[in-house]
Amino acid sequence: DQQVKQNSPSLSVQEGRISILNCDYTNSMFDYFLWYKKYPAEGPTFLISISSIKDKNEDGRFTVFLNKSAKHLSLHIVPSQPGDSAVYFCAADRGTDKLIFGTGTRLQVFP
Amino acid sequence: AAGVIQSPRHLIKEKRETATLKCYPIPRHDTVYWYQQGPGQDPQFLISFYEKMQSDKGSIPDRFSAQQFSDYHSELNMSSLELGDSALYFCASRRRAQGNYGYTFGSGTRLTVV
Repeated sequence: DQQVKQNSPSLSVQEGRISILNCDYTNSMFDYFLWYKKYPAEGPTFLISISSIKDKNEDGRFTVFLNKSAKHLSLHIVPSQPGDSAVYFCAADRGTDKLIFGTGTRLQVFP
Repeated sequence: AAGVIQSPRHLIKEKRETATLKCYPIPRHDTVYWYQQGPGQDPQFLISFYEKMQSDKGSIPDRFSAQQFSDYHSELNMSSLELGDSALYFCASRRRAQGNYGYTFGSGTRLTVV
């Protein structure tokens, strides 16, 4: 039972444009959401997070939006850069010690 | 800044052998987590420790055990290895008082069982 889903396994975006990565969840008990970026053979690197009491959090080029009623969150990267090419995981937490990860979206930013 | 250190980075073992993976958390982090990521899969939570006590358990096989030591480093012991155990094993740590913001992953150990 996949509680956190990223339905797009891959996304290709031109440099300078906006990248939008989506994530859906099923468990309404989740109260904290995180986005991680992962390069091959490296550990996930924290990007940005959002608490369920907010609907938006922004950090530089990265913005995360949360729609609790739709159980949906999205990560916006603008402008996209070639160095952003990686696999992006969303993860959710419900106050326990473990993160539940989505299946990941591979982002490719081309010149 | 110091990061989460995992050793070894790569490990090749034969079926039915044992393996020990080590994780050194960021200084002053009191909680350690272990995740397993199979090929093409998302990271799956295995087990966690807070202040040297097991705090949560996920889909960890009975053949695996783990502990956190007095210096807060953790070891994941894997016995009777199977081909399906081949995966990336990530350790993460945080300081519980920081909440989820400080949740930091190591670079992982790639275990290959042949």
